[in-house]
Amino acid sequence: GIQVEQSPPDLILQEGANSTLRCNFSDSVNNLQWFHQNPWGQLINLFYIPSGTKQNGRLSATTVATERYSLLYISSSQTTDSGVYFCAGDTGGFKTIFGAGTRLFVKA
Amino acid sequence: GAGVSQSPSNKVTEKGKDVELRCDPISGHTALYWYRQSLGQGLEFLIYFQGNSAPDKSGLPSDRFSAERTGGSVSTLTIQRTQQEDSAVYLCASSLVVAGGPGETQYFGPGTRLLVL
Repeated sequence: GIQVEQSPPDLILQEGANSTLRCNFSDSVNNLQWFHQNPWGQLINLFYIPSGTKQNGRLSATTVATERYSLLYISSSQTTDSGVYFCAGDTGGFKTIFGAGTRLFVKA
Repeated sequence: GAGVSQSPSNKVTEKGKDVELRCDPISGHTALYWYRQSLGQGLEFLIYFQGNSAPDKSGLPSDRFSAERTGGSVSTLTIQRTQQEDSAVYLCASSLVVAGGPGETQYFGPGTRLLVL
Protein backbone atom coordinates (compact mmCIF):
# COMPACT_ATOMS: atom_id res chain seq x y z
CA GLY A 1 0.00 0.00 0.00
CA ILE A 2 0.90 3.64 -0.19
CA GLN A 3 3.52 4.93 2.24
CA VAL A 4 3.41 8.43 3.70
CA GLU A 5 6.61 9.81 5.15
CA GLN A 6 6.68 13.03 7.16
CA SER A 7 9.73 14.99 8.19
CA PRO A 8 11.03 16.03 10.56
CA PRO A 9 9.40 13.76 13.14
CA ASP A 10 9.98 16.29 15.91
CA LEU A 11 10.63 20.02 15.80
CA ILE A 12 11.27 22.61 18.50
CA LEU A 13 11.03 26.26 17.56
CA GLN A 14 11.51 29.54 19.32
CA GLU A 15 8.41 31.71 19.07
CA GLY A 16 8.63 33.86 15.95
CA ALA A 17 10.68 31.38 13.93
CA ASN A 18 9.66 29.95 10.56
CA SER A 19 9.59 26.28 9.60
CA THR A 20 8.86 23.90 6.74
CA LEU A 21 7.27 20.50 7.19
CA ARG A 22 7.48 17.93 4.43
CA CYS A 23 5.28 15.05 3.35
CA ASN A 24 6.42 12.46 0.80
CA PHE A 25 4.16 9.84 -0.80
CA SER A 26 5.33 6.56 -2.32
CA ASP A 27 2.64 6.72 -5.01
CA SER A 28 0.36 9.28 -6.62
CA VAL A 29 -2.31 10.46 -4.22
CA ASN A 30 -5.66 12.17 -4.43
CA ASN A 31 -7.29 14.54 -1.96
CA LEU A 32 -4.11 15.51 -0.12
CA GLN A 33 -4.85 17.29 3.16
CA TRP A 34 -2.93 18.78 6.07
CA PHE A 35 -4.26 18.64 9.63
CA HIS A 36 -3.21 20.02 13.00
CA GLN A 37 -3.90 18.01 16.15
CA ASN A 38 -3.83 20.26 19.17
CA PRO A 39 -2.55 19.11 22.58
CA TRP A 40 -6.13 18.18 23.56
CA GLY A 41 -6.42 15.80 20.64
CA GLN A 42 -8.75 17.73 18.36
CA LEU A 43 -7.91 17.45 14.67
CA ILE A 44 -8.41 20.59 12.62
CA ASN A 45 -8.14 20.67 8.86
CA LEU A 46 -5.63 23.20 7.59
CA PHE A 47 -5.59 22.68 3.85
CA TYR A 48 -7.21 20.57 1.19
CA ILE A 49 -4.45 20.79 -1.42
CA PRO A 50 -4.24 18.09 -4.10
CA SER A 51 -2.00 20.41 -6.13
CA GLY A 52 -0.73 23.96 -6.24
CA THR A 53 -0.28 26.47 -3.43
CA LYS A 54 -2.67 27.84 -0.85
CA GLN A 55 -2.23 30.33 1.96
CA ASN A 56 -4.18 30.95 5.13
CA GLY A 57 -2.73 33.59 7.39
CA ARG A 58 0.68 32.51 8.66
CA LEU A 59 0.31 29.08 7.10
CA SER A 60 0.75 28.08 3.51
CA ALA A 61 1.05 24.79 1.69
CA THR A 62 2.37 23.63 -1.63
CA THR A 63 1.77 20.27 -3.30
CA VAL A 64 3.80 19.08 -6.28
CA ALA A 65 1.67 16.13 -7.31
CA THR A 66 3.98 15.01 -10.14
CA GLU A 67 6.82 14.62 -7.64
CA ARG A 68 4.62 13.19 -4.87
CA TYR A 69 5.34 15.62 -2.11
CA SER A 70 3.74 18.45 -0.19
CA LEU A 71 5.17 21.16 2.03
CA LEU A 72 3.59 23.06 4.89
CA TYR A 73 5.10 26.41 5.81
CA ILE A 74 4.61 28.00 9.20
CA SER A 75 5.77 31.59 9.51
CA SER A 76 6.21 33.64 12.69
CA SER A 77 5.36 30.60 14.82
CA GLN A 78 3.31 31.02 17.98
CA THR A 79 2.97 28.82 21.05
CA THR A 80 -0.55 27.94 19.89
CA ASP A 81 0.97 26.29 16.82
CA SER A 82 2.26 23.48 19.05
CA GLY A 83 0.83 20.04 18.44
CA VAL A 84 1.12 17.39 15.76
CA TYR A 85 0.84 18.09 12.05
CA PHE A 86 -0.41 15.30 9.81
CA CYS A 87 -0.63 14.99 6.06
CA ALA A 88 -2.99 12.48 4.50
CA GLY A 89 -4.15 11.32 1.11
CA ASP A 90 -5.74 8.46 -0.77
CA THR A 91 -5.08 6.54 -3.99
CA GLY A 92 -8.73 6.40 -4.97
CA GLY A 93 -11.71 4.95 -3.15
CA PHE A 94 -11.26 7.38 -0.26
CA LYS A 95 -9.25 5.03 1.98
CA THR A 96 -7.26 7.82 3.57
CA ILE A 97 -3.71 7.13 4.70
CA PHE A 98 -2.09 9.37 7.30
CA GLY A 99 1.57 9.98 7.90
CA ALA A 100 3.06 9.51 11.37
CA GLY A 101 3.05 13.25 11.93
CA THR A 102 5.49 16.02 12.85
CA ARG A 103 5.42 16.93 16.54
CA LEU A 104 5.98 20.66 16.92
CA PHE A 105 6.72 22.50 20.15
CA VAL A 106 6.98 26.27 20.06
CA LYS A 107 8.78 27.83 23.01
CA ALA A 108 7.75 31.23 24.34
CA GLY B 1 -25.16 20.53 14.67
CA ALA B 2 -22.29 22.76 13.68
CA GLY B 3 -19.64 20.05 13.83
CA VAL B 4 -19.07 16.32 14.07
CA SER B 5 -20.08 14.93 17.45
CA GLN B 6 -19.11 11.65 19.04
CA SER B 7 -20.32 9.80 22.10
CA PRO B 8 -19.34 8.77 24.61
CA SER B 9 -16.27 10.96 25.01
CA ASN B 10 -14.68 8.35 27.26
CA LYS B 11 -15.41 4.67 27.74
CA VAL B 12 -13.85 2.22 30.17
CA THR B 13 -14.80 -1.40 29.73
CA GLU B 14 -13.67 -4.82 30.78
CA LYS B 15 -11.97 -7.24 28.44
CA GLY B 16 -14.52 -9.38 26.64
CA LYS B 17 -17.36 -6.87 26.76
CA ASP B 18 -18.94 -5.28 23.67
CA VAL B 19 -18.88 -1.52 23.12
CA GLU B 20 -20.75 0.82 20.78
CA LEU B 21 -19.36 4.15 19.69
CA ARG B 22 -21.55 6.76 18.03
CA CYS B 23 -20.82 9.43 15.44
CA ASP B 24 -23.10 12.25 14.28
CA PRO B 25 -21.67 13.80 11.12
CA ILE B 26 -22.15 17.35 9.92
CA SER B 27 -25.62 17.73 8.47
CA GLY B 28 -25.59 17.22 4.71
CA HIS B 29 -22.22 15.48 4.61
CA THR B 30 -22.51 12.29 2.59
CA ALA B 31 -19.15 10.74 3.45
CA LEU B 32 -18.26 9.39 6.89
CA TYR B 33 -14.96 7.89 8.08
CA TRP B 34 -13.84 6.01 11.18
CA TYR B 35 -10.21 6.00 12.31
CA ARG B 36 -8.30 4.64 15.25
CA GLN B 37 -5.40 6.46 16.90
CA SER B 38 -3.24 4.62 19.41
CA LEU B 39 -1.27 6.64 21.95
CA GLY B 40 1.36 8.77 20.25
CA GLN B 41 0.64 7.29 16.84
CA GLY B 42 -0.88 8.43 13.57
CA LEU B 43 -4.39 7.67 12.42
CA GLU B 44 -5.34 4.23 11.13
CA PHE B 45 -8.21 4.06 8.63
CA LEU B 46 -11.00 1.68 9.66
CA ILE B 47 -14.04 2.15 7.43
CA TYR B 48 -15.62 4.61 5.00
CA PHE B 49 -19.27 5.22 4.12
CA GLN B 50 -20.42 7.22 1.10
CA GLY B 51 -24.12 7.79 0.57
CA ASN B 52 -25.95 4.54 -0.10
CA SER B 53 -22.92 2.78 -1.53
CA ALA B 54 -21.44 -0.30 0.08
CA PRO B 55 -18.91 0.79 2.72
CA ASP B 56 -15.18 0.34 2.31
CA LYS B 57 -14.39 -1.98 5.23
CA SER B 58 -10.83 -2.69 4.18
CA GLY B 59 -9.32 -1.13 7.30
CA LEU B 60 -11.24 -3.06 9.94
CA PRO B 61 -8.59 -4.98 11.94
CA SER B 62 -10.69 -8.07 12.71
CA ASP B 63 -14.20 -9.48 12.47
CA ARG B 64 -14.83 -8.22 16.00
CA PHE B 65 -15.17 -4.76 14.48
CA SER B 66 -18.27 -3.68 12.57
CA ALA B 67 -19.95 -0.43 11.68
CA GLU B 68 -23.21 0.72 10.27
CA ARG B 69 -24.68 3.97 9.11
CA THR B 70 -28.41 4.42 9.37
CA GLY B 71 -30.33 6.71 7.05
CA GLY B 72 -27.13 8.10 5.61
CA SER B 73 -26.45 10.02 8.80
CA VAL B 74 -25.55 8.63 12.24
CA SER B 75 -22.97 5.87 12.39
CA THR B 76 -22.20 3.30 15.06
CA LEU B 77 -18.90 1.46 15.42
CA THR B 78 -19.24 -1.76 17.39
CA ILE B 79 -16.36 -3.68 18.91
CA GLN B 80 -17.27 -7.15 20.16
CA ARG B 81 -15.36 -9.07 22.80
CA THR B 82 -13.00 -6.17 23.40
CA GLN B 83 -9.30 -6.83 23.93
CA GLN B 84 -6.73 -4.65 25.68
CA GLU B 85 -5.09 -3.84 22.34
CA ASP B 86 -8.36 -2.18 21.28
CA SER B 87 -7.59 0.66 23.71
CA ALA B 88 -7.21 3.80 21.61
CA VAL B 89 -8.97 6.97 20.55
CA TYR B 90 -11.62 6.31 17.92
CA LEU B 91 -12.14 9.28 15.63
CA CYS B 92 -14.95 9.97 13.23
CA ALA B 93 -14.82 12.42 10.32
CA SER B 94 -17.27 13.56 7.69
CA SER B 95 -16.93 15.32 4.37
CA LEU B 96 -19.12 16.73 1.65
CA VAL B 97 -18.39 14.65 -1.42
CA VAL B 98 -19.73 15.78 -4.75
CA ALA B 99 -20.85 12.81 -6.82
CA GLY B 100 -18.27 12.19 -9.50
CA GLY B 101 -16.04 14.90 -8.13
CA PRO B 102 -13.00 14.94 -5.91
CA GLY B 103 -13.17 14.32 -2.19
CA GLU B 104 -13.48 17.26 0.11
CA THR B 105 -11.88 18.27 3.38
CA GLN B 106 -12.55 15.90 6.26
CA TYR B 107 -13.92 17.40 9.48
CA PHE B 108 -13.17 15.47 12.65
CA GLY B 109 -15.10 14.89 15.82
CA PRO B 110 -13.46 15.04 19.26
CA GLY B 111 -13.08 11.28 19.46
CA THR B 112 -13.99 8.56 21.93
CA ARG B 113 -11.22 7.46 24.27
CA LEU B 114 -11.63 3.72 24.85
CA LEU B 115 -9.81 1.92 27.64
CA VAL B 116 -10.13 -1.84 27.90
CA LEU B 117 -9.07 -3.19 31.29
